[in-house]
Amino acid sequence: GAGVSQSPSNKVTEKGKDVELRCDPISGHTALYWYRQSLGQGLEFLIYFQGNSAPDKSGLPSDRFSAERTGGSVSTLTIQRTQQEDSAVYLCASSLDIGRAPDTQYFGPGTRLTVL
Amino acid sequence: DQQVKQNSPSLSVQEGRISILNCDYTNSMFDYFLWYKKYPAEGPTFLISISSIKDKNEDGRFTVFLNKSAKHLSLHIVPSQPGDSAVYFCAATLLNNAGNMLTFGGGTRLMVKP
Repeated sequence: GAGVSQSPSNKVTEKGKDVELRCDPISGHTALYWYRQSLGQGLEFLIYFQGNSAPDKSGLPSDRFSAERTGGSVSTLTIQRTQQEDSAVYLCASSLDIGRAPDTQYFGPGTRLTVL
Repeated sequence: DQQVKQNSPSLSVQEGRISILNCDYTNSMFDYFLWYKKYPAEGPTFLISISSIKDKNEDGRFTVFLNKSAKHLSLHIVPSQPGDSAVYFCAATLLNNAGNMLTFGGGTRLMVKP
């Protein structure tokens, strides 16, 4: 497809379980971003990748969160030992070139995560 | 500490009239601002942007105004159409930082009534 895709679209899990969220960026986009939107809140930046490298992980809420990107394409966001406060919509975005400003970020539809 | 704020959670406007969505920021280092529009169950889509060196940018029915001294920007939609009904997010970024990550406001839900 032409846009950013994310899977699954919805995920319901039990507290304490691990989850993996996947993002397929637009082909050729070197930058990839993860955000989350909790209920009634704005979008919160989590992490970004330039190629396969994540230079700054300080936006991740806790050490239960990790992300990786392979081949400069697909990225996975992993949440270990999920907690109820992790419930949110997790959004992925990609852009053409992180070093060229301004650089429009294109968002996927998001994964709605519900932790029971 | 919210660096970008949208103080109106919702706005209702009659079709054909002007919609004005407001956004305030606290970080004077931000040098690029964007508006995104979001429909339910979809990701945000880019609408319009403005560099901090400008005070106005226009694209069709959409105009963004920036008042740097007041740390305030606004999005004007004229004329408003029912299809404009969505949540609008204001975002800001530092162009020279390593990442161009966006700092978003909480969003304003716009409802355009026919």
